[in-house]
Amino acid sequence: QKEVEQNSGPLSVPEGAIASLNCTYSDRGSQSFFWYRQYSGKSPELIMFIYSNGDKEDGRFTAQLNKASQYVSLLIRDSQPSDSATYLCAVNDARGSNYKLTFGKGTLLTVNP
Amino acid sequence: DVKVTQSSRYLVKRTGEKVFLECVQDMDHENMFWYRQDPGLGLRLIYFSYDVKMKEKGDIPEGYSVSREKKERFSLILESASTNQTSMYLCASSYRSSGNTIYFGEGSWLTVV
Repeated sequence: QKEVEQNSGPLSVPEGAIASLNCTYSDRGSQSFFWYRQYSGKSPELIMFIYSNGDKEDGRFTAQLNKASQYVSLLIRDSQPSDSATYLCAVNDARGSNYKLTFGKGTLLTVNP
Repeated sequence: DVKVTQSSRYLVKRTGEKVFLECVQDMDHENMFWYRQDPGLGLRLIYFSYDVKMKEKGDIPEGYSVSREKKERFSLILESASTNQTSMYLCASSYRSSGNTIYFGEGSWLTVV
């Protein structure tokens, strides 16, 4: 059973701070990693994906991947109240039936003005 | 932009009723998925389809069936709705290639009374 673990939070940060969201996964064969943001009552929307070890930056967001440690994180710089949402980590396995994503349960982020 | 449309946003059904949830995507994606999302349990995969008339069980298929007669349309069927199927249902789609992003519809809130 593949597992994706996230701290449920809530993670509370002041406006302008860096928010750090973490995710670990159990399947060493995992190849693709995704971060989704979900506002209350809405569906998940993609923020970033990362395939290779290291950092990937997109605006205020940076995804970090360490396959040896089976760890992926999302940093949000200059956090804004509009970033307050649940962040879902998702992992895809490139082997076999690779169409599925396994999701973590999400971390609730609150950015305080 | 990718558009995944779930025709029914809010439904209230009685126990024992047959329920159809419809999903249409406009990106010619091969893969389509049905998830349900419940507080504390996260996103759980019910069924997915990688081609027309093809389907595979996800993690929680019991009590559900699916139909994919056309590439763009994927239907979730609750043969005899029960109160424990009260949930938010999310349809999603993606290209077949491994690692490709999945895109979600807006969700269907189903209440079974």
